[in-house]
Amino acid sequence: QSVLTQPPSVSGAPGQRVTISCTGSSSNIGAGYDVHWYQQLPGTAPKLLIYGNSNRPSGVPDRFSGSKSGTSASLAITGLQAEDEADYYCQSYDSSLSGGAVFGTGTKVTVL
Amino acid sequence: QVQLQESGPGLVKPSETLSLTCTVSGGSISSYYWSWIRQPAGKGLEWIGRIYTSGSTNYNPSLKSRVTMSVDTSKNQFSLKLSSVTAADTAVYYCARVLVLHAFDIWGQGTMVTVSS
Repeated sequence: QSVLTQPPSVSGAPGQRVTISCTGSSSNIGAGYDVHWYQQLPGTAPKLLIYGNSNRPSGVPDRFSGSKSGTSASLAITGLQAEDEADYYCQSYDSSLSGGAVFGTGTKVTVL
Repeated sequence: QVQLQESGPGLVKPSETLSLTCTVSGGSISSYYWSWIRQPAGKGLEWIGRIYTSGSTNYNPSLKSRVTMSVDTSKNQFSLKLSSVTAADTAVYYCARVLVLHAFDIWGQGTMVTVSS
């Protein structure tokens, strides 16, 4: 039961910039909880891409960036590459879920 | 570096209990929260719950009545039990380490569990 809403799909040509939105509510993103982003390549486990709204783990290219404002967050991919074609999920903490994590509905990024 | 590996039966009969174990290697299980997350085929991610190395747990309210998590620090393992399973519980089950910001920084490769008679 996803409580964070993402667009089902976004697409762009190589080299372009795409953004993925993640809309929550006052019990999660709007309550000030951090947003994290994951990349899931086909047939593999999700990989942490952005943590704490805008921080990149070691090894993640700076083409990926995150931001948060109010009850929403965004992931931007600049200089889109073929290898970026994957599913992307946002995630936060929700105070109505007894200490629980909530995930976004997921967005499929297609490189044209 | 720390690696996680799920193990357990790939096929469970309806109404029975699903049991999975996650083994932590390359580091200590202590002083972290650890979670289980699942993903039905072609669908999104669902958080099942988390356990601290003290044994303290938090479960997703939608699964709480059927979920039990435990930890064995001597074996560097933590486990998931999901009772009274149905076909709706068929999914890839992942174990993951939880950062202080509630992000999941290390994931296991996932294990497919099918509920079928």
